[in-house]
This record gives sequence, structure tokens and C-alpha cells, in this order.
Amino acid sequence: GNSVTQMEGPVTLSEEAFLTINCTYTATGYPSLFWYVQYPGEGLQLLLKATKADDKGSNKGFEATYRKETTSFHLEKGSVQVSDSAVYFCALSGRGYQKVTFGIGTKLQVIP
Amino acid sequence: SAVISQKPSRDICQRGTSLTIQCQVDSQVTMMFWYRQQPGQSLTLIATANQGSEATYESGFVIDKFPISRPNLTFSTLTVSNMSPEDSSIYLCSEITGNEQFFGPGTRLTVL
Repeated sequence: GNSVTQMEGPVTLSEEAFLTINCTYTATGYPSLFWYVQYPGEGLQLLLKATKADDKGSNKGFEATYRKETTSFHLEKGSVQVSDSAVYFCALSGRGYQKVTFGIGTKLQVIP
Repeated sequence: SAVISQKPSRDICQRGTSLTIQCQVDSQVTMMFWYRQQPGQSLTLIATANQGSEATYESGFVIDKFPISRPNLTFSTLTVSNMSPEDSSIYLCSEITGNEQFFGPGTRLTVL
């Protein structure tokens, strides 16, 4: 079955530091890949997505590239801000965009 | 984008009682989903709820414990029955519109 493995947190960074949150997946066929973000006290929001190999999703300065050869979808941001403090979930879904499978979530704390 | 609301936002319940969580979407949707997010863990799909048919439950979840209603295209309820402390979780409803999955803010349940 499908599964997502992402690095466990918490991750603590200083403001303006570079961020990488690793995510690898196991799936049959060609899944769509997502990063969701959950800010404190709020629901999940889609941060970015990629639907085929070599696609790069980007939003709010975050980027992730769909790497089929390494089955990875690592999240990166060049310069984090305090407002980026949240929990980040890597996820995938098969064709038809159903039954999203989530990683465990990585808590990011950015300190001034 | 769809706006999803849930009630209650949080509750503290006694062991052996039941709680019904309501989910309202601001537009008509075909498929709705219920997830559970246990403390420190990822999201797990409980069931898929289509209007006019029985909910489809994932492995490990049964209708007697988590009965679901889907009376129309904008509303669903999830009941957590005969609660135990192990049911303490955040429960989220979700729907898919135009290839994007939207989540409600969640209901934080604590069972004493």
C-alpha cells in the first residue's frame, strides 16, 4: 500500500535560516504529492503540490520537487520567518485524488 | 475554495458517553471524508461518506463505533460512540473540490 515517511521533529531554526524537511514515499503507479501546513489552532491547508515526475510545486517561498528516481518530495525554503512556525505534513494520493495518505508531520519552530 | 466548519471545536467527555461532530460545507460536494489525528501522530482516514449511500470505512474502523450520517450534499456528522480515553484525538472532516482536498478546522476531543 501507499506510505509516506517524513523526518520527525521538532525542527527549531533561527529566522532567515534555510529549511529542508525530508519526505519519501512508497506508492504504486504515479501518485500526486502534497505538502500541507497546519498553523497553531487552525485546520490543514494545502501548501503546494506536484502531480508528475520532475514537477516543482511552490508557494509562499516554499518549494518541493517530485523526484521519482529517489521517491522523494523534500520541502525547502531559503529563508524562514517566525510566521512559518507550524506543523508540515507530506502526503500523497493515487489517481483520482482520493484517500490521501499522510506522513507523521514535522513541527517547525522558528525563533527570532 | 470550499469553506468547512465543524462543531464543536473542542469537547471534554466522560468515558462511555458519545459525541456527535457536525461538519458543514459552504457548497455542495459529492464526497466527504472523516479523519482522526491522534496526539503526536499523523492523520488517519476513518471513512468516506457519500450522500445517499452507506459510508465506507477503512480497516480498523467500524460503523458501530463511528456511525456517520450524510443527509445532504453540504452536511455530515460523525459520532464517536462509547468513548474511551484512547478516542482522544482531533477529528477532521474533509472534502474534495476540483482536485484539491479541503479540511475543516478540526474537533479536539478529550475523553476522561
